[in-house]
Amino acid sequence: IRLTQSPSPLSASVGDRVTITCRASQSISKYLNWYQQKPGKGPKLLIYSASSLQSGVPSRFSGSGSGTDFTLTISSLQPEDFATYYCQQTYNTPPTFGGGTKVEIK
Amino acid sequence: EVELVESGGGLIQPGGSLRLSCAASGFTFSTYSMNWVRQAQGKGLEWVSYISSTSGTIYYADSVKGRFTISRDNANNSLYLQMNSLRDEDTAVYYCARGTSNSWYNFDYWGQGTLVTVSS
Repeated sequence: IRLTQSPSPLSASVGDRVTITCRASQSISKYLNWYQQKPGKGPKLLIYSASSLQSGVPSRFSGSGSGTDFTLTISSLQPEDFATYYCQQTYNTPPTFGGGTKVEIK
Repeated sequence: EVELVESGGGLIQPGGSLRLSCAASGFTFSTYSMNWVRQAQGKGLEWVSYISSTSGTIYYADSVKGRFTISRDNANNSLYLQMNSLRDEDTAVYYCARGTSNSWYNFDYWGQGTLVTVSS
């Protein structure tokens, strides 16, 4: 299953509302996760099952969607949120990732 | 605190072999499934392999099937990836990642990664 993320990159300012989209090549129900990765670090799970917030993740992160279209929203961008974000489908094996969206400082 | 620490990466010639290790701590290792995920420099994430908590179920990406072998030692809280017949395209940072209790492929903890460079 192919996942296509947009936009990439994304330029934004602190305080902005940011939305990243992920489109699947076929329906994956709600089997969609979002990760954040900073340089030199392993990814961090933010959202699982399309809209469930992982424990310890700030509430400014939210996810929505089902079927083929999904979004990750950051309600008010903070300095520590500048990173690369990946979506991942867990509908079937192999699990696959989107190409990533780098959120850059405007 | 959950911690995953990979080791064993390095420079290896094409056709060579390498064994990666992942030392786990801070949780009951024997009750969680584990995975290997890799990332080429400046590129995205690619899932490599999955192993269930008891080693009863194992999956591989097509790109490594027949060349890589995943295994685990629950007595020593360790995960392994034996990589044979290495190719240039296997060059990447390799991460071990824990599956959550309700989904094999929801990766809730990751290590810092170990770099494998395949080059002559």
